[in-house]
Amino acid sequence: EPEVTQTPSHQVTQMGQEVILRCVPISNHLYFYWYRQILGQKVEFLVSFYNNEISEKSEIFDDQFSVERPDGSNFTLKIRSTKLEDSAMYFCASSIAGGYTFGSGTRLTVV
Amino acid sequence: AQKVTQAQTEISVVEKEDVTLDCVYETRDTTYYLFWYKQPPSGELVFLIRRNSFDEQNEISGRYSWNFQKSTSSFNFTITASQVVDSAVYFCALSEPSSNDYKLSFGAGTTVTVRA
Repeated sequence: EPEVTQTPSHQVTQMGQEVILRCVPISNHLYFYWYRQILGQKVEFLVSFYNNEISEKSEIFDDQFSVERPDGSNFTLKIRSTKLEDSAMYFCASSIAGGYTFGSGTRLTVV
Repeated sequence: AQKVTQAQTEISVVEKEDVTLDCVYETRDTTYYLFWYKQPPSGELVFLIRRNSFDEQNEISGRYSWNFQKSTSSFNFTITASQVVDSAVYFCALSEPSSNDYKLSFGAGTTVTVRA
């Protein structure tokens, strides 16, 4: 069964550093997403990406965040200058016609 | 406003008991999708079910069953004869095509603890 692959599974970074979280969505899916889950809280939508551009973004997705699909395969989330409150699990997902697949997540810890 | 409400924060049961998790949603769309996910302590989101709004048949999959009631905007989930391995956080989620991107709105989750 096709999978969404996320790397790395864990990342520790210093406050103020830039991080890039990587995802390989399912190849025939059309929509790509990033979600965030702060420890002990619910899963929150960050951004959706369709046809090589951002389709929608939440109020969490401010100027420090960006997404790219650089090579038609990878889908990346960049956090420019990390803050302590960016510590969370980040999930990538892809979908087609309402069918959803999540990656296993990247646990980001900002110290 | 919350699109998906899971009123139960935590449920604790003894093994072999049944447990029902409530989910109430809010949408103006006539076509939408409802999901349940399980999140074990390892952290990944495990897909359990997707239901579209036109299919009101209840579904059973092994020890899991789902009761979809459009009249009350509820999509409840029952685990029959619970086992310790069922201990996890369970999330209900809603996808509305009118949002143009099928993004999911999650409920706050219900933590289920099954004691041996």
